Amino acid sequence: HSVLTQPPSVSGAPGQRVTISCTGSSSNIGTGNDVHWYQQLPGTAPKLLIYGSNKRPSGVPDRFSGSRSATSASLAITGLQAEDEADYYCHSYDSNLSNSGVFGGGTKLTVL
Amino acid sequence: EVQLVQSGPEVKKPGESLKISCKGSGYSFSSYWIAWVRQMPGKGLEWMGIIYPGDSDTRYSPSFEGQVSISVDKSITTAYLQWSSLKPSDTAMYYCGGRGVGAAQGYDGLDLWGQGTFVTVSS
Repeated sequence: HSVLTQPPSVSGAPGQRVTISCTGSSSNIGTGNDVHWYQQLPGTAPKLLIYGSNKRPSGVPDRFSGSRSATSASLAITGLQAEDEADYYCHSYDSNLSNSGVFGGGTKLTVL
Repeated sequence: EVQLVQSGPEVKKPGESLKISCKGSGYSFSSYWIAWVRQMPGKGLEWMGIIYPGDSDTRYSPSFEGQVSISVDKSITTAYLQWSSLKPSDTAMYYCGGRGVGAAQGYDGLDLWGQGTFVTVSS
């Protein structure tokens, strides 16, 4: 099982808002480590979507936003579009694992 | 252009050795950590380890310590992931990722990715 816990799947209709949670613990997100989010389209490499818990690289639409609190983080997507259908992963670092990087198990977003 | 370019797909037999590569260009390669990430077929991302090309400081995930070796040759701006004896369970896509190279400078997210190298281990 993954150190960071994500729901396996979420879905929404075009135009709707969905959120993806990422639950950690006191040894990773809870220590104040940043959370990063990646989008992986089918058959492609992951792409950084959110870094530093709530910052967007240039080129990422402002429909995507991130937040963090205590031992968890969330990715919100508003105005869902068909091209948002992908796998989404959260990422942080864990002091119990020699400060190794850790990923969530991934969430499959389906646009209905 | 800032990019990481990985070596091509590999097909190997159990017990064989393998070294795959990740070549950086368009940025100061020595100054940014490079991570390796495994993705088994149909599964999620797994952090394997990370190396700092400037001084070859290497940190492994406990899950991969002793199973693989990460190295770098900064003279040719290339990082490597190596196995001494492959197993069928090593069949996976392997990605390299640059940390804080571009948009996420100053942060520890992977903001530059290679295209991936698929390794198949089968008798």
